[in-house]
Amino acid sequence: ILNVEQSPQSLHVQEGDSTNFTCSFPSSNFYALHWYRWETAKSPEALFVMTLNGDEKKKGRISATLNTKEGYSYLYIKGSQPEDSATYLCAFKRNTGTASKLTFGTGTRLQVTL
Amino acid sequence: DAGVTQSPTHLIKTRGQQVTLRCSPISGHKSVSWYQQVLGQGPQFIFQYYEKEERGRGNFPDRFSARQFPNYSSELNVNALLLGDSALYLCASSLDPLRGTEAFFGQGTRLTVV
Repeated sequence: ILNVEQSPQSLHVQEGDSTNFTCSFPSSNFYALHWYRWETAKSPEALFVMTLNGDEKKKGRISATLNTKEGYSYLYIKGSQPEDSATYLCAFKRNTGTASKLTFGTGTRLQVTL
Repeated sequence: DAGVTQSPTHLIKTRGQQVTLRCSPISGHKSVSWYQQVLGQGPQFIFQYYEKEERGRGNFPDRFSARQFPNYSSELNVNALLLGDSALYLCASSLDPLRGTEAFFGQGTRLTVV
């Protein structure tokens, strides 16, 4: 059984705060780690696909790091804005050689208030 | 360019009925995957199709079936609906499921079984 765990479950910060979330995944047979941002009533939006140990990726105020040996990834948001309010999902892709399903965590729900 | 489109957006069915959900991938994408998301959980993998062949199946009963058409669109069928099938059904498309490429999601079909 693959367990992908995210913490915290929810987070409430004020505008301008910086924040970070954690995604833990199995360290064996790693292939890729995906981060998604999901606003209510919209499609999950792909943020990052990370494949190499030590990867760091950045998109605007959002960045992510990857440690495949210990099985975790961090997502950072610098200077949170109300429009960052969403659920942030991570998904692990295992190296199976055939199907490449994504195994999702339950998400971190972020609420940013003025 | 249109993103991943799913239809219908909402659906109410009675226990025991059958339902068909539809997905059109992004133009040029040959892989479609289906996920079920129930409240409080991350999306769970149901099926993956690539080049019209089933490439993977999640832990779902045989009441769930799917297919992919020559134009790469896909249908998910669920027979003998149960109350527990009430969920958001997400479709994702990607270029090549065996590589670390992004998967792009539709907005989903909200199925309610009464």
